[in-house]
Amino acid sequence: QVQLQESGPGLVKPSETLSLTCTVSGGSISNYYWIWIRQPPGKGLEWIGYLYYSGSSGSTNYNPSLKTRVTISMDTSKNQFSLQLVSVTAADTAVYYCARGRPGVPIDYWGQGTLVTVSS
Amino acid sequence: QTVVTQEPSFSVSPGGTVTLTCGLSSGSVSTNYYPSWYQQPPGQAPRTLIYTTNTRSSGVPDRFSGSILGNKAALTITGAQADDESDYYCVLYMGSGLWVFGGGTKLTVL
Repeated sequence: QVQLQESGPGLVKPSETLSLTCTVSGGSISNYYWIWIRQPPGKGLEWIGYLYYSGSSGSTNYNPSLKTRVTISMDTSKNQFSLQLVSVTAADTAVYYCARGRPGVPIDYWGQGTLVTVSS
Repeated sequence: QTVVTQEPSFSVSPGGTVTLTCGLSSGSVSTNYYPSWYQQPPGQAPRTLIYTTNTRSSGVPDRFSGSILGNKAALTITGAQADDESDYYCVLYMGSGLWVFGGGTKLTVL
């Protein structure tokens, strides 16, 4: 059974960089989409972006509204992928979910989510 | 910018049938948008119900079904149960690697 677990700081100061890691267990990391999604408190889900890893290389695609601030990367040696969001503000306070997709299936597995608060 | 639209809220009686929809602020939803549906119980992470319009994810009961109704994607729940009370989100593929969530529907079972 595939499992995804987010980890990272729960508190980030304004203007700094939010960094989260998702650890993947129970399955291969090749030929899947590795996705980040967020949900501000009391609000709906927002697609942040994904990294598709083919086994030899990866390609990324980001939400245009976040594209200038976000990077998704992968550490294949650790079966992990990461999210970096720079220059954060209070509007970036949210529960951040990592997820997996595959061709034809946007999301098949979800992490439990981690709350990140942006505050001084 | 195209917005994905969902009813903000809906209610259904226990045992009843409800259809939630997922549309576009401009244009019609078709299978080419690969609509999928997610259930998020209060305080929990979402789980996948339906993908590519009408394929149920593993373990999802057949009370949940997906379709295209008119110009929208639809999620129908038949024989509603108390634990179906959740937020439901659709997501559509907009092309060029971009997926967009709808605003979600809060379903009350009472």
